[in-house]
Amino acid sequence: KQEVTQIPAALSVPEGENLVLNCSFTDSAIYNLQWFRQDPGKGLTSLLLIQSSQREQTSGRLNASLDKSSGRSTLYIAASQPGDSATYLCAVNGNQFYFGTGTSLTVIP
Amino acid sequence: DTGVSQDPRHKITKRGQNVTFRCDPISEHNRLYWYRQTLGQGPEFLTYFQNEAQLEKSRLLSDRFSAERPKGSFSTLEIQRTEQGDSAMYLCASSFNRGLSTDTQYFGPGTRLTVL
Repeated sequence: KQEVTQIPAALSVPEGENLVLNCSFTDSAIYNLQWFRQDPGKGLTSLLLIQSSQREQTSGRLNASLDKSSGRSTLYIAASQPGDSATYLCAVNGNQFYFGTGTSLTVIP
Repeated sequence: DTGVSQDPRHKITKRGQNVTFRCDPISEHNRLYWYRQTLGQGPEFLTYFQNEAQLEKSRLLSDRFSAERPKGSFSTLEIQRTEQGDSAMYLCASSFNRGLSTDTQYFGPGTRLTVL
């Protein structure tokens, strides 16, 4: 069974700092990997999708990388803002879909 | 298009009762997924449909759970004889599938179930 781990579980940074969130998975046979954010009590909002053949995707201040062979992905957030405070989840798509437990990010004004 | 919608948003029921949730996906999406999420955890995959066909079911989906997507549009998730352990947020998502790959999953707001 696919295991997805996200480190750290929680992160607190001052506004303006650049940061990296990590996601690792045990089975490299995936079709794609997706990063989401979730605000408290809400559904998930898709941030970036990386197909298995791709190495990275960028959207605004966000950049996600994928190293399928080592089972790792990172989400880089540049110039963090208080509005970025949320839980960030990665999900891998193999035969089923597996989510990590998330990283809770707090950006302090 | 208004995105993925779910109904109801909240449901409180007594143990042993049956409940049914509805999900309306984005109209052109051919895939529909159900997940369950408990506090502090990531969503756990339950099942997904491509059009009206149910293609995968998690072992989490016991025989008390059944999902349908009769016309390849909206879907229902029914839980029979609810137990307190069923209390969770039930999330629905949809995407457009091209072959083996899938496009971005778009999530609904979820249905929060509380079993007393």
